[in-house]
Amino acid sequence: NAGVTQTPKFQVLKTGQSMTLQCAQDMNHEYMSWYRQDPGMGLRLIHYSVGAGITDQGEVPNGYNVSRSTTEDFPLRLLSAAPSQTSVYFCASRRTGIGNQPQHFGDGTRLSIL
Amino acid sequence: GQQVMQIPQYQHVQEGEDFTTYCNSSTTLSNIQWYKQRPGGHPVFLIQLVKSGEVKKQKRLTFQFGEAKKNSSLHITATQTTDVGTYFCAGTNTNAGKSTFGDGTTLTVKP
Repeated sequence: NAGVTQTPKFQVLKTGQSMTLQCAQDMNHEYMSWYRQDPGMGLRLIHYSVGAGITDQGEVPNGYNVSRSTTEDFPLRLLSAAPSQTSVYFCASRRTGIGNQPQHFGDGTRLSIL
Repeated sequence: GQQVMQIPQYQHVQEGEDFTTYCNSSTTLSNIQWYKQRPGGHPVFLIQLVKSGEVKKQKRLTFQFGEAKKNSSLHITATQTTDVGTYFCAGTNTNAGKSTFGDGTTLTVKP
């Protein structure tokens, strides 16, 4: 049981490049989410999904797109990378969209934008 | 929108001393969760509190949920070097809603 798997673990991009951060979970969880973590600022919600075909914006959605075509996968797309998007990105899942269950986090993607 | 404030931001203790981190929400919460993130790692779920005034213990860790369900605390008795990391609270204000994380308290323990 792999849990939540994120790829890549590290990535360096140039300003203006686009890329997709991958997230997959094998627990049949309905709810998946993306957070970014910057030093001293905790975890900020970028986008989330309560099920396949349903996505919604979190606190800091600008510059990012998501889609949820299957229950297992929830990729995060950076459209045109900017230095302000340098951060550690975590994907998380929980069993349903109801907020009274624990979230399971992936190992994170450390992204640097030059 | 909902805000969750957590203090202190950093805490340095000598091994064996106690440690407490506090979490305060701008709105009434339906539940609060606590997570621990080791240096270089990812957040790991510790516990969830749901009831007003609830107190739960995990070995040396004691978690409390305030009577008004707007604040919570995590207390560690006699810290050990294995307690090092960042502790986050995450509050949800409706059962069908998103969770908002506090900024975390980073604990360092000097042997």
